[in-house]
Amino acid sequence: TQLLEQSPQFLSIQEGENLTVYCNSSSVFSSLQWYRQEPGEGPVLLVTVVTGGEVKKLKRLTFQFGDARKDSSLHITAAQPGDTGLYLCAGALNTGFQKLVFGTGTRLLVSP
Amino acid sequence: NAGVTQTPKFRILKIGQSMTLQCTQDMNHNYMYWYRQDPGMGLKLIYYSVGAGITDKGEVPNGYNVSRSTTEDFPLRLELAAPSQTSVYFCASSYSVRVGNQPQHFGDGTRLSIL
Repeated sequence: TQLLEQSPQFLSIQEGENLTVYCNSSSVFSSLQWYRQEPGEGPVLLVTVVTGGEVKKLKRLTFQFGDARKDSSLHITAAQPGDTGLYLCAGALNTGFQKLVFGTGTRLLVSP
Repeated sequence: NAGVTQTPKFRILKIGQSMTLQCTQDMNHNYMYWYRQDPGMGLKLIYYSVGAGITDKGEVPNGYNVSRSTTEDFPLRLELAAPSQTSVYFCASSYSVRVGNQPQHFGDGTRLSIL
């Protein structure tokens, strides 16, 4: 059962454009993480959000955790070719051992 | 810093063969994980371990086994390879306190094809 749905699945844009990636679930998460993965490598953590409504900024990337802690979004301003990669959200379910449930992923291609 | 090291990087197996995917970490993390990543499906947890001598099943454990004899090593074994196990396998580790708030550190993956 896939608990986290990401949209869009694939996004191809030109350098300088803005974009938003969504991560949605019917489950409540104690925290949510965003990872970026490049070809041939493992995912690397970008940010962790913990509080409902929390907004975190990482240079041109803005992350938001939904008020009900069921959803999150990643907004990239003025995308650059270096932003190209697979973006994964991962929610922590607080059922005994805190397992991470990963989303389906959004593949971003930014062309010069 | 080595971090999480996985070997081999690539492997082709015949149906019914067995193999062990190796994973070692040098960060003294208590928690270690094995995931598989299939196209368009994200990462699915196969097995995890909260410390040496302790392992537990994740979401998709069938066809796999693990052991954790040391803090550093967490090998994943496939006993009878099946085509459905063709995937990219990632090992990860993290600190033990409030797993969801700690980053998971991933290896570079093992790409496994079963023909």
